[in-house]
Amino acid sequence: NAGVTQTPKFQVLKTGQSMTLQCAQDMNHEYMSWYRQDPGMGLRLIHYSVGAGITDQGEVPNGYNVSRSTTEDFPLRLLSAAPSQTSVYFCASSTRQINTGELFFGEGSRLTVL
Amino acid sequence: GQQLNQSPQSMFIQEGEDVSMNCTSSSIFNTWLWYKQDPGEGPVLLIALYKAGELTSNGRLTAQFGITRKDSFLNISASIPSDVGIYFCAGQNYGGSQGNLIFGKGTKLSVKP
Repeated sequence: NAGVTQTPKFQVLKTGQSMTLQCAQDMNHEYMSWYRQDPGMGLRLIHYSVGAGITDQGEVPNGYNVSRSTTEDFPLRLLSAAPSQTSVYFCASSTRQINTGELFFGEGSRLTVL
Repeated sequence: GQQLNQSPQSMFIQEGEDVSMNCTSSSIFNTWLWYKQDPGEGPVLLIALYKAGELTSNGRLTAQFGITRKDSFLNISASIPSDVGIYFCAGQNYGGSQGNLIFGKGTKLSVKP
């Protein structure tokens, strides 16, 4: 039972490069979201989706794009990486379309932007 | 925006001791949740609380949803080395159809064997 799978686990980028963080879940969850975790800042919501074809912005969406073409996948795109995007990124999913707060998290993707 | 004040920021305790941490907010929440993050892993849900005044246990963990709906606490009894990690509180409101989940900044727990 894989749960929420994130790839890659580690990535180093140069300023201005683009990349996509992948997230897949095999639990048929409608709700998926992306968080970033920075030291002393807790977890902050970047984007979320309540189902295929539906996405919305969270607290810190600038510099990130998302799409949701299938229930299983919710990739996060960095179009032009900046050092301020150095962080650990977590994908999470929930059983219900309305987020009750009961989230299943992936193991995280650690991104460094030089 | 809404903020959660989680305290303490860090704790260093001896194995066998009890632990208490709490979370407060200036806003009310419909749900309080507690997550634990092991080093190098994603957070895992420990306890979810849905009613003001609710007291819920999960093994050695006990959490309460404050009566004012503006606070919650988590207690860990008889700590063991595997309790090491970061504990996050989270408050949830239902705004429109999506809800809004706010995380505290975490309490880092260290346990000396």
